[in-house]
Amino acid sequence: GESVGLHLPTLSVQEGDNSIINCAYSNSASDYFIWYKQESGKGPQFIIDIRSNMDKRQGQRVTVLLNKTVKHLSLQIAATQPGDSAVYFCAENMAPGGYQKVTFGTGTKLQVIP
Amino acid sequence: DGGITQSPKYLFRKEGQNVTLSCEQNLNHDAMYWYRQDPGQGLRLIYYSQIVNDFQKGDIAEGYSVSREKKESFPLTVTSAQKNPTAFYLCATKGTSTDTQYFGPGTRLTVL
Repeated sequence: GESVGLHLPTLSVQEGDNSIINCAYSNSASDYFIWYKQESGKGPQFIIDIRSNMDKRQGQRVTVLLNKTVKHLSLQIAATQPGDSAVYFCAENMAPGGYQKVTFGTGTKLQVIP
Repeated sequence: DGGITQSPKYLFRKEGQNVTLSCEQNLNHDAMYWYRQDPGQGLRLIYYSQIVNDFQKGDIAEGYSVSREKKESFPLTVTSAQKNPTAFYLCATKGTSTDTQYFGPGTRLTVL
């Protein structure tokens, strides 16, 4: 399978507990942020996004928090399930001169303990 | 990955050979991207195309080439000039009304 999870920070949580995955982004001019989920051997899947004019956005079982002061993004997963086990990474977007520049984080591996 | 397909899923190449990775989409998205993913690293942009018959180099274009003759297709050729081509290759697309890139399932390339 795909070895994208090697050498990544790992978060282990008990099934049913809440998970919090953190991401520090680099550019204060970034105005759009996305969380992706990547299962082993597969392409990344969009989970949730947030614009820089917001500090919180909720989806189904997931919440993204944005702290622009310290350039920090977090993903909260409620009632974590075994199917949530994957690598999660954030992406920051900025659009200098109309071209979209995207920077991807290295990711955090989430392991759900049944 | 929805309407984005990448083929093959696994590809093996001998040193000195060129290989072409396919990316096809039926999402009617104008922009298409190729990324390389290595263990422990973030995705790195190889090439991107914002419109048919136009494409631009990304951060690590050396040893790669692309074409964009059709809106639906954005093939990536890994040439023998690419020194370390073993990696997971991801194609992504983006529509004009969104800032979100959506990814295909990926192709795992291994050099023997």
